Amino acid sequence: GAVVSQHPSWVICKSGTSVKIECRSLDFQATTMFWYRQFPKQSLMLMATSNEGSKATYEQGVEKDKFLINHASLTLSTLTVTSAHPEDSSFYICSAPLEWGSGGYGYTFGSGTRLTVV
Amino acid sequence: GQQLNQSPQSMFIQEGEDVSMNCTSSSIFNTWLWYKQDPGEGPVLLIALYKAGELTSNGRLTAQFGITRKDSFLNISASIPSDVGIYFCAGISGYALNFGKGTSLLVTP
Repeated sequence: GAVVSQHPSWVICKSGTSVKIECRSLDFQATTMFWYRQFPKQSLMLMATSNEGSKATYEQGVEKDKFLINHASLTLSTLTVTSAHPEDSSFYICSAPLEWGSGGYGYTFGSGTRLTVV
Repeated sequence: GQQLNQSPQSMFIQEGEDVSMNCTSSSIFNTWLWYKQDPGEGPVLLIALYKAGELTSNGRLTAQFGITRKDSFLNISASIPSDVGIYFCAGISGYALNFGKGTSLLVTP
């Protein structure tokens, strides 16, 4: 089945550095990718929507300059957390909309990235 | 996106028991999805519902799309220890995916 491969699965970085998270769609093209953030024991919060070849759309309250999104190809979207601080520590997950042969559709998720900023 | 009302927040049951959880919304959705998330992993789709009144099964799981299109429930029959995890409902309206707050399920042998 269609899979979104997310990498890395976990990363520890120093405060002030930048971290890049990649999501690749395997065996399907993702013109749109959604980026979520999840705090412990909470639901997923949509951060932004990336569209291949155009600028990302950010949800209210999400800093564009802090969370840089690039969707340069139909199979790759990246989220870069710039100048990371401890409060950016969280679980980040990407998701792509998908249609399957029976006429149904839904969203498939990456396996998530645990970011810890020290 | 808007938050769905998902209940219960957590459940602690014995192996073999049946489980039921539900989601409600003040808005109409075109599609309801149910996901399971294991610790440190992304959500995995369990069941997708596309029509009001639709009842769909996936093994021991059964889910229904409410007639009003504002609610959905998920039942798990004869629970087993590997059912442990967090279950999320999600409603699609247009292109946006709206999540419930999740139901944490614990199953004791």
